[in-house]
Amino acid sequence: DTEVTQTPKHLVMGMTNKKSLKCEQHMGHRAMYWYKQKAKKPPELMFVYSYEKLSINESVPSRFSPECPNSSLLNLHLHALQPEDSALYLCASSQATGTGGYEQYFGPGTRLTVT
Amino acid sequence: QKEVEQNSGPLSVPEGAIASLNCTYSDRVSQSFFWYRQYSGKSPELIMSIYSNGDKEDGRFTAQLNKASQYVSLLIRDSQPSDSATYLCAVDPGTGRRALTFGSGTRLQVQP
Repeated sequence: DTEVTQTPKHLVMGMTNKKSLKCEQHMGHRAMYWYKQKAKKPPELMFVYSYEKLSINESVPSRFSPECPNSSLLNLHLHALQPEDSALYLCASSQATGTGGYEQYFGPGTRLTVT
Repeated sequence: QKEVEQNSGPLSVPEGAIASLNCTYSDRVSQSFFWYRQYSGKSPELIMSIYSNGDKEDGRFTAQLNKASQYVSLLIRDSQPSDSATYLCAVDPGTGRRALTFGSGTRLQVQP
């Protein structure tokens, strides 16, 4: 089973709202990722968690706040977003260690619109 | 800046033909290479991974890697209209960061 789930599928929020995106995987992966993807662009890495610890923050503005409550769950808390933050937000997971390489599996994404 | 380069396309091939998608990368220490397929409005789907020089075949897909030339390609045999999508090349820089660098993608159109 290579399934990563994300909720909600779509989210519309105002610039003063607080909302959260959720991601879950049951593949036993210990690395989880948040990406942002704008139209006709490749995914852009935001955060990486490895063994529930934040290992990479790609200089993401503080209005995005990640959280990894356990090895299966990943949240992205949103606050005071700007219209330019509207995008497809993708969660992915992979093995955290191992030789030779690893594969990242993406969830279906949350389409976020900031009004 | 470590880069992954792809021709944006569109690459148009007739149904039943072989589609050849190419990708070059700048970082010589890169170890792992991936091809993702992304349909419009959907998330990327992993279709191939390759770690060693040479060819790797999976059904109608063949990935080819040449580390000396810093080149990785994807061949799709017997192309079908359902293969029409954007194909993203992704490279693990091999630094242990667990962070993929994506190319900008090649849009493939398979004409019935």
